[in-house]
Amino acid sequence: GAGVSQSPSNKVTEKGKDVELRCDPISGHTALYWYRQSLGQGLEFLIYFQGNSAPDKSGLPSDRFSAERTGGSVSTLTIQRTQQEDSAVYLCASSLSLGPFTDTQYFGPGTRLTVL
Amino acid sequence: EDKVVQSPLSLVVHEGDTVTLNCSYEVTNFRSLLWYKQEKKAPTFLFMLTSSGIEKKSGRLSSILDKKELSSILNITATQTGDSAIYLCAAHFGNEKLTFGTGTRLTIIP
Repeated sequence: GAGVSQSPSNKVTEKGKDVELRCDPISGHTALYWYRQSLGQGLEFLIYFQGNSAPDKSGLPSDRFSAERTGGSVSTLTIQRTQQEDSAVYLCASSLSLGPFTDTQYFGPGTRLTVL
Repeated sequence: EDKVVQSPLSLVVHEGDTVTLNCSYEVTNFRSLLWYKQEKKAPTFLFMLTSSGIEKKSGRLSSILDKKELSSILNITATQTGDSAIYLCAAHFGNEKLTFGTGTRLTIIP
């Protein structure tokens, strides 16, 4: 189908390594969101993109986390010097809307990150 | 393919009405079903259901799971304008991932 896709689906890395997680939103969707789901926790908002700009980065947990979006499409979430507490499922969602969090978000399948 | 389907896609009711939102799922190694309310930032957690037939309640909201029918409903009684939101259903399955439905947009008219 033409849903949101994420890669890799699973990533195991060693503490201290950098990782890149990729999200391909639904074609034409201008808004893109990153969340993470830690074991036993609720969804945690990380960052939101409108086009290529990120008006709201307030959810990034530390300066080891960064994200970019190019061409208004694909987004990459980068975690530098990974820590064990970064282990989680990282979810990406996209929506048509021009206003944040006001339109239906379509979620990708997530990337399960395990930091050893 | 794991799938979660919600209905209706959108719903507009008057304040005070009762609404029922539906969620059906097809997932392998089903573990639990979760309901979220999406208003701003991250969706907020409402309920997690693992056992069939046991209703969970929180104020005016309640939810129940039917594993035989592979479905769940979310009820909201005496709706208020603050209930306006997108309600997301997600199925939690064997490898700890969540599969989300596309949500039901609920609008409460004063």
